[in-house]
Amino acid sequence: SYVLTQTPSVSVAPGKTARITCGGSNIGSKSVHWYQQKPGQAPVLVMYYDNDRPSGIPERFSGSNSGNTATLTISRVGAGDEADYYCQVWDRISDHAVFGGGTKLTVL
Amino acid sequence: QVQLQESGPGLVKPSQTLSLTCTVSGGSISSTSYYWTWIRQPAGKGLEWIGRIYISGNTNYNPSLKSRVTISVDTSKNQFSLKLTSVTAADTAVYYCAREGGVEALDIWGQGTMVTVSS
Repeated sequence: SYVLTQTPSVSVAPGKTARITCGGSNIGSKSVHWYQQKPGQAPVLVMYYDNDRPSGIPERFSGSNSGNTATLTISRVGAGDEADYYCQVWDRISDHAVFGGGTKLTVL
Repeated sequence: QVQLQESGPGLVKPSQTLSLTCTVSGGSISSTSYYWTWIRQPAGKGLEWIGRIYISGNTNYNPSLKSRVTISVDTSKNQFSLKLTSVTAADTAVYYCAREGGVEALDIWGQGTMVTVSS
């Protein structure tokens, strides 16, 4: 089964840029989606097809995907961005969706 | 706008069957544009995709759960359902239903429902 690897935690100072990575074998050949989950809430889609933002998601959120790493970048980070972030792809071999283990973003 | 709401027992005994329903409001579950999906999350842990169903009845399941999972759809009630058999404490989690939209991502989620497996 396809495995996605995320760094468990990332810390960033307010106003700086956070980069959250998602590693997987040749992940650049797949479409990666990203979800933000705040405590006690359901996840929210913040990026789809690697670098497309759903309506209502700030332009501060961007994405990239190449080789074995996909990245969610959040610029000008604020306290409201503090959350868990999950990447997700579709595993076409076993025909099911796979989530990364999640990254907790802490704003210092 | 489309909303999803999970419902079902919050407590299930070990070895029994967990049954949950997701009610779709503000839109038709019969739309050919979407898959309807179940995801779960044990306390303090990450998300686990359980499976999905298309309006045709076509399903995909997580291989690790496939032998115990059934997802079905009831268009007359605008609902889809999850059944998980032979549950153990490891199945204790918040269960979410979600819509997989035209962008192949989970664009709308229910609020989640906590299910505890305990005698």
